[in-house]
Amino acid sequence: DIQMTQSPSSLSASVGDRVTITCRASQSISRYLNWYQQKPGTAPKLLIYAASSLQSGVPSRFRGSGSGTDFTLTISSLQPEDFATYYCQQTYSPPRGTFGQGTKLGIK
Amino acid sequence: QLVESGGGLVQPGGSLRLSCAASGFTFSAYNMNWVRQPPGKGLEWVSHISSIGNTFYYADSVKGRFAISRDNVKNSLYLQMNSLRDEDTAVYYCAREDVEVADAFDIWGQGTMVTVSS
Repeated sequence: DIQMTQSPSSLSASVGDRVTITCRASQSISRYLNWYQQKPGTAPKLLIYAASSLQSGVPSRFRGSGSGTDFTLTISSLQPEDFATYYCQQTYSPPRGTFGQGTKLGIK
Repeated sequence: QLVESGGGLVQPGGSLRLSCAASGFTFSAYNMNWVRQPPGKGLEWVSHISSIGNTFYYADSVKGRFAISRDNVKNSLYLQMNSLRDEDTAVYYCAREDVEVADAFDIWGQGTMVTVSS
């Protein structure tokens, strides 16, 4: 089965900062990589699909890149509402839907 | 939207059936999934069922104990959970898988809490 590894597991940043989260797959997943945002007590929200496509309604400060095994999520200028936990997910091969362990983005 | 129900407190070794009611889209056209999240921990994909209900996948942690099913007439998804263990304690979400967004999970329910404890 494909394993997804995110780094870092947590980070602290300030409003206006640029932050980058990395996700690595244990084997090539082409561009079948998605990113989700989850705030406490709520369901995850799809931000980016197919590595770099922005889901409808998601602000353009969120950007995804990568292919094969290495992917990144970049938030260009952090806003107060961006402090949350972020998960990557592969949907390349069964069992599809494998998530990374999450990256908690906190306020510095 | 998706609305889960059926969660609750159950003893180890017991059974529970979760339901997920779909509305606002053509349920029968979409693959569906269950995802769980133990308290304070990350997301774990649990199970997948194809749009017409003839293909299933399970996480190794639930294989042989959980069964996913759907009723496209009732617009509902189900998860039958048997031989429950302490480590199955989690919020369980149903999620729609959309081929238009590279099979990402674009619609989620609010979740239902399952607690396995004696």
